[in-house]
Amino acid sequence: DAGVIQSPRHEVTEMGQEVTLRCKPISGHNSLFWYRQTMMRGLELLIYFNNNVPIDDSGMPEDRFSAKMPNASFSTLKIQPSEPRDSAVYFCASSLNKSPLHFGNGTRLTVT
Amino acid sequence: AQSVTQPDIHITVSEGASLELRCNYSYGATPYLFWYVQSPGQGLQLLLKYFSGDTLVQGIKGFEAEFKRSQSSFNLRKPSVHWSDAAEYFCAVGAGQHNQGGKLIFGQGTELSVKP
Repeated sequence: DAGVIQSPRHEVTEMGQEVTLRCKPISGHNSLFWYRQTMMRGLELLIYFNNNVPIDDSGMPEDRFSAKMPNASFSTLKIQPSEPRDSAVYFCASSLNKSPLHFGNGTRLTVT
Repeated sequence: AQSVTQPDIHITVSEGASLELRCNYSYGATPYLFWYVQSPGQGLQLLLKYFSGDTLVQGIKGFEAEFKRSQSSFNLRKPSVHWSDAAEYFCAVGAGQHNQGGKLIFGQGTELSVKP
């Protein structure tokens, strides 16, 4: 079991640039979640998919954020244009039906 | 609205001492409750969960938690702490109707330090 795989582990970019974060869920899991972790706000759910369909995106901060899940084994979270306040650790997690979440190791994003 | 409160931001205990981390939740229905642990630079790892049944649940690494509905609490305990337990601990409540495992609301976390 390879676990949830996120890439890159670290991303440093300049304000205004496009950022794409990637996630490969655990094989066989049918739900995928994107969380953001900051000191000020803690862990926040941004969006989650069930069977590749977005179910709840109410946590997505604004239109600069978008997420896709083109197939069961891949998801992206895109920020365009990025801003310094987007700096955070972004976690992807997956689960099967009602089972608890399995988290990836996160992507630490720094926007300068 | 659902919420989770972890009153202690930082706790320090001596190695071998007992540990209790507090968690209080606010949720209208029967809650699904979780404790996760996060080591520096790592993702969150599930320690234990409560869905229903016995209110005392056992988890990995010697941890246990007790669900007390009357107090809206789900405190995490360990009888003897090891230096490797130093990490950040998160309590969470499942907020989704259809996926109790996933749409989680997290507390702010409690950082645990262990003195030799």
